[in-house]
Amino acid sequence: DAGITQSPRHKVTETGTPVTLRCHQTENHRYMYWYRQDPGHGLRLIHYSYGVKDTDKGEVSDGYSVSRSKTEDFLLTLESATSSQTSVYFCAISVTTWGYEQYFGPGTRLTVT
Amino acid sequence: QKEVEQDPGPLSVPEGAIVSLNCTYSNSAFQYFMWYRQYSRKGPELLMYTYSSGNKEDGRFTAQVDKSSKYISLFIRDSQPSDSATYLCAMRAGANSKLTFGKGITLSVRP
Repeated sequence: DAGITQSPRHKVTETGTPVTLRCHQTENHRYMYWYRQDPGHGLRLIHYSYGVKDTDKGEVSDGYSVSRSKTEDFLLTLESATSSQTSVYFCAISVTTWGYEQYFGPGTRLTVT
Repeated sequence: QKEVEQDPGPLSVPEGAIVSLNCTYSNSAFQYFMWYRQYSRKGPELLMYTYSSGNKEDGRFTAQVDKSSKYISLFIRDSQPSDSATYLCAMRAGANSKLTFGKGITLSVRP
């Protein structure tokens, strides 16, 4: 998994509660990404980061925020979880900008009831 | 029209079969084409990467790009049960553009 860990790996939460997912990398790569994967939609980019405190929105960013205070950690926060945010969330890193060789973490399975 | 379309599957083949997985795309600016493999409950991993048109071979896997038809393929020869996974195509236009993924197709290789 290219030194990428995600926590928690599984989470069940209630509608309206805030949730934070963590992505941690051990290889000091500059670029990090958060995706969600849903049946019928494939992988969709939520947010990405190109350095400490440098982040930008992807195609499905509504309802999500991110923070990156250290190179190794990229946090994804669901400000007020909704059932439509039930999904599998993947963190990825790449060595270069939008590198084709993106390495993915093991994923976090989130259920919002 | 979606930027990237991938056959929905699922696909089931007997061991030893030749498998053909395909994606079409609408954005003529795409130049970089990738195939990712994803085992159940795991993250995707890069399998093949091709720049522009042409073929690329790696063991039992061949990636083919036809830019004139906006069509890419992944061929798996002598398929094995260990090839059972979901395969996602991905592509991007240039160095500063995001990856666009297909929805993925689930392949099952029967022993």
